[in-house]
Amino acid sequence: AQKVTQAQTEISVVEKEDVTLDCVYETRDTTYYLFWYKQPPSGELVFLIRRNSFDEQNEISGRYSWNFQKSTSSFNFTITASQVVDSAVYFCALSGNTGNQFYFGTGTSLTVIP
Amino acid sequence: GAGVSQSPSNKVTEKGKDVELRCDPISGHTALYWYRQSLGQGLEFLIYFQGNSAPDKSGLPSDRFSAERTGGSVSTLTIQRTQQEDSAVYLCASSLYGSQAPGEQYFGPGTRLTVT
Repeated sequence: AQKVTQAQTEISVVEKEDVTLDCVYETRDTTYYLFWYKQPPSGELVFLIRRNSFDEQNEISGRYSWNFQKSTSSFNFTITASQVVDSAVYFCALSGNTGNQFYFGTGTSLTVIP
Repeated sequence: GAGVSQSPSNKVTEKGKDVELRCDPISGHTALYWYRQSLGQGLEFLIYFQGNSAPDKSGLPSDRFSAERTGGSVSTLTIQRTQQEDSAVYLCASSLYGSQAPGEQYFGPGTRLTVT
């Protein structure tokens, strides 16, 4: 089965705290891709990152970092020194190598309190 | 450049009526996806178009749902005999699919459908 689980439904943090959003996936494919998207209150989803299954290097982009671990089928997302503008719903997604279907998690709603 | 556009932004319809939702993808993007997002839920895949290939319709929830993509560009999602459970935000996304690897998707603002 292809599935993405985001167990954290809602998270609230105080500004400047670090926060990690969890993502666990299931797939039968040996080649697959993982994504994170941000959906701010305005509604449009915005792409954050894509990772393929052969690249387990962690990635850092400014205050954002991603930890991909195939051994635990997880692709977690950490925001360092959170800001109010980070408040949004964050979705983790999985796609097989054909790109036909994307499987999205149910999202984690992050609220950063000033 | 212009992003993905969708119309209408909001649609209120009576149960049993047919509705058409439109998506204009980013020019040059060969892959186009439709999703449904219900309140508090993730995105539910509906259908996928890739170039001139036959679409992947495996996510359509019933035969009341259909979609087409004309000329490899604009796409229309049609829901016949709408039901209240069809109420949701319908999102369209396009992607530059230049290889065997799925690329990042660019999402439109969505159409909020309310069936009364």
